[in-house]
Amino acid sequence: DTEVTQTPKHLVMGMTNKKSLKCEQHMGHRAMYWYKQKAKKPPELMFVYSYEKLSINESVPSRFSPECPNSSLLNLHLHALQPEDSALYLCASSQDPPGGSEKLFFGSGTQLSVL
Amino acid sequence: GQNIDQPTEMTATEGAIVQINCTYQTSGFNGLFWYQQHAGEAPTFLSYNVLDGLEEKGRFSSFLSRSKGYSYLLLKELQMKDSASYLCAAYTAAGANNLFFGTGTRLTVIP
Repeated sequence: DTEVTQTPKHLVMGMTNKKSLKCEQHMGHRAMYWYKQKAKKPPELMFVYSYEKLSINESVPSRFSPECPNSSLLNLHLHALQPEDSALYLCASSQDPPGGSEKLFFGSGTQLSVL
Repeated sequence: GQNIDQPTEMTATEGAIVQINCTYQTSGFNGLFWYQQHAGEAPTFLSYNVLDGLEEKGRFSSFLSRSKGYSYLLLKELQMKDSASYLCAAYTAAGANNLFFGTGTRLTVIP
């Protein structure tokens, strides 16, 4: 199994909603990542979990809240988002945490629209 | 700071060869990744160069010159399905966030 699975693939939410994005990998990878990608732009790093602990938070607003329940799962909880938060949210994993080889395996992403 | 440059858009003909360049200025450079990304989909890994020289994988090859801060991705026998964005990303030992993406090159393959 060399896949990173993300659900849902598409999400439309209002600014007062609470929703969660989910990510799962069964490759035994020790690091998991959340990236945000706007159209025609490169992915921007949001969070990194290494060994289930948050190791990097790239100054992301508190309306985005990550959670790593176990080594295979990564969630991103969303609350009171703004329309400018509409983007493709990508989950990724790597065998080694940052500082290792860091070849990233990406999930197919969740296309989020905030109305 | 970290700076990664690549052309924004390129167009090439089916069956032809195209070279996508990437230049970088980074501190603590370890290696360079190339990813392919189709519209609305996840990036997929193409190559990772650590040493100088050319690495070939089927129709795709990637080249690195560490002294020049330069890499390219070479696509041969272009197919329509190769139309995608190609992201180069520099992997560094600097700081906690180690992977820096370029803005991507959108390649359009025409018949």
